[in-house]
Amino acid sequence: KNEVEQSPQNLTAQEGEFITINCSYSVGISALHWLQQHPGGGIVSLFMLSSGKKKHGRLIATINIQEKHSSLHITASHPRDSAVYICAVGLQYNTDKLIFGTGTRLQVFP
Amino acid sequence: DTAVSQTPKYLVTQMGNDKSIKCEQNLGHDTMYWYKQDSKKFLKIMFSYNNKELIINETVPNRFSPKSPDKAHLNLHINSLELGDSAVYFCASSQVWPLLLDTQYFGPGTRLTVL
Repeated sequence: KNEVEQSPQNLTAQEGEFITINCSYSVGISALHWLQQHPGGGIVSLFMLSSGKKKHGRLIATINIQEKHSSLHITASHPRDSAVYICAVGLQYNTDKLIFGTGTRLQVFP
Repeated sequence: DTAVSQTPKYLVTQMGNDKSIKCEQNLGHDTMYWYKQDSKKFLKIMFSYNNKELIINETVPNRFSPKSPDKAHLNLHINSLELGDSAVYFCASSQVWPLLLDTQYFGPGTRLTVL
């Protein structure tokens, strides 16, 4: 079993819908990252967080350290949000190594 | 201006050949990384360099040898290529080490196909 699990694996939505992608992990972490991989393959770092909540535009990321769980929310989704969203955790005692989830493929239809 | 660049973008080669992938970042970052993304889109770290010094070397075959001539460059040389080496290789950089303090900037990826 992977140390970082994401759900759902695939997600389709209509434009305007509120999206939630979940990430659960089983190891002690120092930080959690959310990444976006575009259909063309490019990867962009969206958030890095170790507690609480961060917001950037229509994207919101939350983390609950006690429950070992993070969520990525997209408000008012748009077709350009279609991408693979990847959760990655930095190990607590190996602060430069990221372990990645398998990704959530999101498709937003107009 | 491209922040993290990789060359080539595509690489098709025969088994047994030796090939290199180059990575350069113009962000002034101290730390650079190589990741491998397999056919199932699963990302895994291979190497991490901080100020030209190797920090992380995951369980990667010794056919893979990273080289950092300076802080702005981290090249990946692969000897005796095998079919299983086919993947997309991403270079990335971050301003500081350790990574927990910073976000990463990724290159566009190099798709390696071994025939």
